[in-house]
Amino acid sequence: DTGVSQDPRHKITKRGQNVTFRCDPISEHNRLYWYRQTLGQGPEFLTYFQNEAQLEKSRLLSDRFSAERPKGSFSTLEIQRTEQGDSAMYLCASSLGTGGQNIQYFGAGTRLSVL
Amino acid sequence: AQSVTQPDIHITVSEGASLELRCNYSYGATPYLFWYVQSPGQGLQLLLKYFSGDTLVQGIKGFEAEFKRSQSSFNLRKPSVHWSDAAEYFCAVGAGYSSASKIIFGSGTRLSIRP
Repeated sequence: DTGVSQDPRHKITKRGQNVTFRCDPISEHNRLYWYRQTLGQGPEFLTYFQNEAQLEKSRLLSDRFSAERPKGSFSTLEIQRTEQGDSAMYLCASSLGTGGQNIQYFGAGTRLSVL
Repeated sequence: AQSVTQPDIHITVSEGASLELRCNYSYGATPYLFWYVQSPGQGLQLLLKYFSGDTLVQGIKGFEAEFKRSQSSFNLRKPSVHWSDAAEYFCAVGAGYSSASKIIFGSGTRLSIRP
């Protein structure tokens, strides 16, 4: 069990460019979550998957954002036409999601800076 | 809607002193409650959780928290802090019908330790 892995750890991009982040959950975890954290704030929910199905999306997830989990394992989060307001830490979490005492385990995050 | 309030943005305590971080939540049903810790450059680590049962829960690193339904509170305590406890602490509530749902985080309390 290597934990939740996120790649890259840091991304610097120019406004208007597209970026893609990857999250590898703990193996056999069927739920995967994306959160965004801005400076001085707690993480805010963006979306989550159960296996390959995207079950919920926050209103924070504008149409420039898209997330996928094609085979129910790793997930990608893409931001198109980045804006300076997209600068944040993007956190991924996974859980076993079988009900009962479900715990979300977080990765170290991808820090995005939009210049 | 579910929400979490952490009224203290920044707290400084002396090493060896006791600690209490405050957390109030808003949720209609029995909540799933969490405390996470985040060190610089690190992901979120779960300190402890409350799902049901005993309202005093023990966590890792000597932390404990008490769920008080009448006060809608879930305060975090530690009898004697160590310099390594300096970090950002987030209280959170599970926002859904199960503990596998998304998590709503408070804005965090930054803990500094005075030598």
